[in-house]
Order: sequence, then C-alpha cells, then structure tokens
Amino acid sequence: DAGVIQSPRHEVTEMGQEVTLRCKPISGHNSLFWYRQTMMRGLELLIYFNNNVPIDDSGMPEDRFSAKMPNASFSTLKIQPSEPRDSAVYFCASSLVLGSEAFFGQGTRLTVV
Amino acid sequence: GESVGLHLPTLSVQEGDNSIINCAYSNSASDYFIWYKQESGKGPQFIIDIRSNMDKRQGQRVTVLLNKTVKHLSLQIAATQPGDSAVYFCAEIPPPAGGTSYGKLTFGQGTILTVHP
Repeated sequence: DAGVIQSPRHEVTEMGQEVTLRCKPISGHNSLFWYRQTMMRGLELLIYFNNNVPIDDSGMPEDRFSAKMPNASFSTLKIQPSEPRDSAVYFCASSLVLGSEAFFGQGTRLTVV
Repeated sequence: GESVGLHLPTLSVQEGDNSIINCAYSNSASDYFIWYKQESGKGPQFIIDIRSNMDKRQGQRVTVLLNKTVKHLSLQIAATQPGDSAVYFCAEIPPPAGGTSYGKLTFGQGTILTVHP
C-alpha cells in the first residue's frame, strides 16, 4: 500500500496566486482530513469528508480556502488568492471509517512570498 | 513584530531510560484517543490507541494510560532509543452521539522528545 499521497511536496508561490494541493487517500478509506501545521498554531483541522461529503469545514480559515472531494480517490485543497500567512505544511490524512485512526501523508510545504 | 510560536513541552532523556509523555485532552465526551509520533519532515505516524472503556493499553515498548476523571493521557516509552526522538501528539475523537463533531480528530500541541545517546 502506497499510503496517503500528497502533491506537490513543496510549493513556492507569489502572493495573490492560486494554489492547489492534491491528495490521494489510501484505497478503501472512507474518511479524509485536511490539516495545516504551523509553529504558531500547531496542527489544525481544516476540513474533513466522509464518503466524499464534507462533514465539518469549521476549521477553514477564510473563504479563500476551499476543498473538494470529487471521488473516493482524490481531494483538493485550494487557496485563492494566497497570502504569506498561508505559509505552512498542509497534511492530508485518511481513515478507514469515521472515528478510526487516521494515516497521514508526507505533507505539502507551502511558501507564499 | 516578533512572532510568538507554540512553546512545546520538551523532554530530554538518556538512551535506555524510560520516557513518560503527558497530555491533557479537552473534550470529556471523547471516547477514542491516539498517540502519534512526528519526525522532522514527515507526517504524524500512529503509535498506539486506546478506547475510553480502558485505562491502560500496551504495545511494543509503549504503554498508554488514560485517566478520564482528570482528562489525562500518558505515553510511556520503555528503553528509549535515539530513533524515538520526535514530536509526540495525543489526539482525541468524540463519540458518534449525532453531533457534528463525530469523527473530528483533534490534536494536542505536542511534546518534543530528545534522546541522547
């Protein structure tokens, strides 16, 4: 099993540009989570899905952030427009069912300059 | 201005010593708890979990203790090795009580463990 796959691993972009982060969950997992990690705020849950449906997006910081899960094997987190304060490591995780242990990807390190 | 980050608790031990990492969780209704280990440049990795109907669970070299009365978790690592150096997080999940927070895996701030050879 390849585990949770995130792309890109690193992204450097200019302020105002659109950024799209991608995630492929573990095959057969029904729940998917997007987290952001910074020194200031630690690991924050942004949004999570169950069976491709968003369950709780209360952690999404602003309307500039959006996430989709068009099918069971793919999710995106989009930031438009990006700002320097969005710089962080973004993690995607998946779990077999809601309420079970989550497996994390390697993360995408985003730098907005 | 000066940026202020999280001041993570730190624990430094000698190789071979036992380590105890503590965590206070926030939701008294949470019924499932997980310890994760995060090494530099990597995502959090599952170590051990425990359900609220238990107060102790043992794995290989690790033991998790749960005290629901004071909402406290601890992770004990026996014979700590340099490879155990990482940030350790506890995470909690509330029960399927019909609320919107079901399945919401929430992390604590983490503890930095440094093992000296």
